[in-house]
Amino acid sequence: KQEVTQIPAALSVPEGENLVLNCSFTDSAIYNLQWFRQDPGKGLTSLLLIQSSQREQTSGRLNASLDKSSGRSTLYIAASQPGDSATYLCAVRRFEGTYKYIFGTGTRLKVLA
Amino acid sequence: NAGVTQTPKFQVLKTGQSMTLQCAQDMNHNSMYWYRQDPGMGLRLIYYSASEGTTDKGEVPNGYNVSRLNKREFSLRLESAAPSQTSVYFCASSESGQGLPYEQYFGPGTRLTVT
Repeated sequence: KQEVTQIPAALSVPEGENLVLNCSFTDSAIYNLQWFRQDPGKGLTSLLLIQSSQREQTSGRLNASLDKSSGRSTLYIAASQPGDSATYLCAVRRFEGTYKYIFGTGTRLKVLA
Repeated sequence: NAGVTQTPKFQVLKTGQSMTLQCAQDMNHNSMYWYRQDPGMGLRLIYYSASEGTTDKGEVPNGYNVSRLNKREFSLRLESAAPSQTSVYFCASSESGQGLPYEQYFGPGTRLTVT
């Protein structure tokens, strides 16, 4: 059974710092991996999606990498800002009888001004 | 273009009451999903609809039923609510088909409390 883990559960950094969020999955047979942002009391906003054949995707200050063989993805945030404070979730898409997304429990990020 | 919309945003039910959560998307997506989010548990898939007219159980389907009314709408029904169903419910949709990215788009959620 696929399990998705995000460590650490919470992180506080000073404004301007570059940071890396981690996502680990136990089974490398995935179709894609998606990173989301969730603000308190809100829904999930898609940040980046990496197909299984890709190694990385970039959007502005965000860069996501994927290493299927080691079961890892990282989300790199450059020059962090207080507005980046949110919970970041990763999800892998795989086939388990039907196509499913398996979510991690998230990393709660706080960027201090 | 509203994306994925959900109603209601908040709901309080008594044990044993029933209700239907509504979801609609205007992105012409084939696939739609219902998740619940609980503290420390992440998002768990309740039901899934690959296309209009089809539905499949997810990880935690017990106590729920769904209807894919048409391509736009996918509803979730609680027939007899239990306190264990207190949660935040999210609807999502995605494209489907060979070569497509299957990126998921989420609604704002429904906060349900069962007393």
